Amino acid sequence: AQKVTQAQTEISVVEKEDVTLDCVYETRDTTYYLFWYKQPPSGELVFLIRRNSFDEQNEISGRYSWNFQKSTSSFNFTITASQVVDSAVYFCALSEVSNTGNQFYFGTGTSLTVIP
Amino acid sequence: EPEVTQTPSHQVTQMGQEVILRCVPISNHLYFYWYRQILGQKVEFLVSFYNNEISEKSEIFDDQFSVERPDGSNFTLKIRSTKLEDSAMYFCASRSARLAGPEQYFGPGTRLTVT
Repeated sequence: AQKVTQAQTEISVVEKEDVTLDCVYETRDTTYYLFWYKQPPSGELVFLIRRNSFDEQNEISGRYSWNFQKSTSSFNFTITASQVVDSAVYFCALSEVSNTGNQFYFGTGTSLTVIP
Repeated sequence: EPEVTQTPSHQVTQMGQEVILRCVPISNHLYFYWYRQILGQKVEFLVSFYNNEISEKSEIFDDQFSVERPDGSNFTLKIRSTKLEDSAMYFCASRSARLAGPEQYFGPGTRLTVT
């Protein structure tokens, strides 16, 4: 079973539109961490945010905001007033404290294209 | 700001050859990881390494793979006899002490092409 599901494979929006990327996770741990990473065409993984399971406060950072809801096991990511530079693949990831290695489980990614 | 580095950035090798991918984690980090990303697919965990031994590995990490920390700075991934399906981007990551938080810092990746 997938631990992290990103149902949206590809999204295209016109510049300045808002866009929300969905992430649903599955874990039996009570303590875990969720992450979002951006992967531009150059290929590196750029860290965007970490969220602890015990902190459900939503967060805003500039044009980015994150909505964490434990009740629905979701950690969605919204980009407001999208820009061409936001075009990338975005990955949601889960880290479980119970795992010895604390490895990350990544979703399949959502490819976002922002059209000028 | 300290960062994880990986060499080479791109490696081309023939099927059946051995390759070694190199990583230099952040200097005071204790946990080390290798991940793989086949083109167009998700990033997959291969192995985690702590205190000079493997702490966890995925089913992908079979006998063809091995990891080593030969000195105080390098962390290597060896593929003994490469197959076409080993073509992928390989990411190294490191993490500080367990109580310092779960953040893993990823290197820029090595693109491995097996022909």
